[in-house]
Amino acid sequence: DTGVSQNPRHKITKRGQNVTFRCDPISEHNRLYWYRQTLGQGPEFLTYFQNEAQLEKSRLLSDRFSAERPKGSFSTLEIQRTEQGDSAMYLCASSLTGTDSPLHFGNGTRLTVT
Amino acid sequence: AQRVTQPEKLLSVFKGAPVELKCNYSYSGSPELFWYVQYSRQRLQLLLRHISRESIKGFTADLNKGETSFHLKKPFAQEEDSAMYYCALRGAGGGNKLTFGTGTQLKVEL
Repeated sequence: DTGVSQNPRHKITKRGQNVTFRCDPISEHNRLYWYRQTLGQGPEFLTYFQNEAQLEKSRLLSDRFSAERPKGSFSTLEIQRTEQGDSAMYLCASSLTGTDSPLHFGNGTRLTVT
Repeated sequence: AQRVTQPEKLLSVFKGAPVELKCNYSYSGSPELFWYVQYSRQRLQLLLRHISRESIKGFTADLNKGETSFHLKKPFAQEEDSAMYYCALRGAGGGNKLTFGTGTQLKVEL
């Protein structure tokens, strides 16, 4: 499968712990996006990268959230001091730069904070 | 601010019946609209976009700027159309950032 890959698929953690998710985009895609999806809602934009540069962050992304894409390939999303409200599906997507380029989504990482 | 509204959480139709999934948007400029679909146990994927003006799997959607709508239609529903459908908007400013609606679960019954 040469699509967008996300790990882990599921993560259960206790409140207050830190978690890190990884996303491997389609290899030739220079844009990478993180979205969050809670039950009954559509995906909500969190942040995106063009190559290694983080170009936009949503106000949904509190100070406890940080994303990196150090070499312009894979990306990590870290949540520090997790809260129960962080429980959600975290989706990664990638695309080419062109405005006609569709987003290709991964299967997501489901986070449960107990 | 941009917003996408999908008023129906669930739409149930019989096989062979027409389907219309509603989508309304709020955006001050000229948006680009998309429909994404998520079949059971599969990832979210693009179904169609308004600029392509194409029919995918028998589905079509027309952007109506006067009514700020982008409804998804299919004349004859098939069982394999059962899935979650999300309408999404991309505004000006680049980045390919999408704003999604809350989704409509389409169930096609035999």
